[in-house]
This record gives sequence, structure tokens and C-alpha cells, in this order.
Amino acid sequence: AQSVTQLDSHVSVSEGTPVLLRCNYSSSYSPSLFWYVQHPNKGLQLLLKYTSAATLVKGINGFEAEFKKSETSFHLTKPSAHMSDAAEYFCVVGGGSYIPTFGRGTSLIVHP
Amino acid sequence: DARVTQTPRHKVTEMGQEVTMRCQPILGHNTVFWYRQTMMQGLELLAYFRNRAPLDDSGMPKDRFSAEMPDATLATLKIQPSEPRDSAVYFCASGTGSKNEKLFFGSGTQLSVL
Repeated sequence: AQSVTQLDSHVSVSEGTPVLLRCNYSSSYSPSLFWYVQHPNKGLQLLLKYTSAATLVKGINGFEAEFKKSETSFHLTKPSAHMSDAAEYFCVVGGGSYIPTFGRGTSLIVHP
Repeated sequence: DARVTQTPRHKVTEMGQEVTMRCQPILGHNTVFWYRQTMMQGLELLAYFRNRAPLDDSGMPKDRFSAEMPDATLATLKIQPSEPRDSAVYFCASGTGSKNEKLFFGSGTQLSVL
């Protein structure tokens, strides 16, 4: 069995400040973990993916995430938010089955 | 760039009408997923196909929803009869079938049932 919890439904930051979107997972298997981004009126796009190689994963648009097995976490970070980062972000756990499990999503709001 | 194509992008219909949504997965992909997205429920998995065979449709209301893959280039999701509570965005995604695969999503069909 596998599950994923996104700890915040909304995160609000000012442009130029750091971004932290939190994700905890549960998996009976060695998990694969993903972050997807959904901009308004668009489909989901892969940001980054962890599959048991390096624990710090770099993705597109300056985002990165760190896999911490002891904390069962896979938080998404970015050093400096840009207005174009405003979107919905989904943490996803896979690997235990062929059907990935999506979190409820975190809405990132970026203020000028 | 290869992409998943969904049609129509928007659909407005009246309660009781049949709705058909179509998805063209990326050529060579052998898994197809249908998701429904609402504000209240988030992303819900409706159906999952592998090599055109339905493997999981436990999330789909069976009395009114049906999903098929007539061939490898087309997946369909039908609602008959439609109800206002079916109003949502429906996404199709395709993948290569490995456990660690990433999914490629279409732009979705925004359905409004009046």
C-alpha cells in the first residue's frame, strides 16, 4: 500500500523569497517519488523524479527536492520564487504498484 | 514534441445527455489513465488501461460511466446520462508502463453539465 500527504493546501510567498512545499509519503516498497506542477487551465507536467539514485533531485525551473527516508519526506524547494511559479503542485508516490498515488495538491501563491 | 491530445477542450451539456471525451495517447505508450479533477475531491483516478485492457476502474461510477480503448491510438470516456455532479475537468495521461514511469498529461476536458 502507498499514500502521500501534502501538508499544506496553500502556500503564500513573496517574489524572490524561498519556497517550501511539504510532502510525506507511506509505501510498503522502495518508493519512486515525483512532483508535478499544474498551471491554470493546463494539464500536469513533471517537475522532478526520485528513483533511488541521488537523494537530492534537481528539476526544471530551479526546483529541487530531497528524499529523506528517516522522515518519509520529499519536500519541494526553490531558493527564490518567481511570479510564474504560481500554480498547483502535486506530490506523487509510485513504484509499489503501476498506479501512482497523487496527493491533494498545494496551491502556491506568489505575491509581487 | 510528443503530447497527449484530448478532445473536446470544453463541453457544456444538459443533464441527461450523453458525453463522450476522447484521448490520443503518445505513440508507443501502453498505459492510459483517466482522472477527474474537482475542487472538492482533487484528482481522482477513474480508469487505468494497460495494453488496451482495463486493469482498474474501481474509481468509476459504473452505472453511468464507461471507458474503452478501441485501438492503441484512442481512449474514450463516456457518461450516459450526465448529471450536474459530473461537472469537472477530466484528464487523460499516458505512460510507458514501468513502475517508475512519469506520466504525460493532456490538457483536459472541462465539462459543465447544466
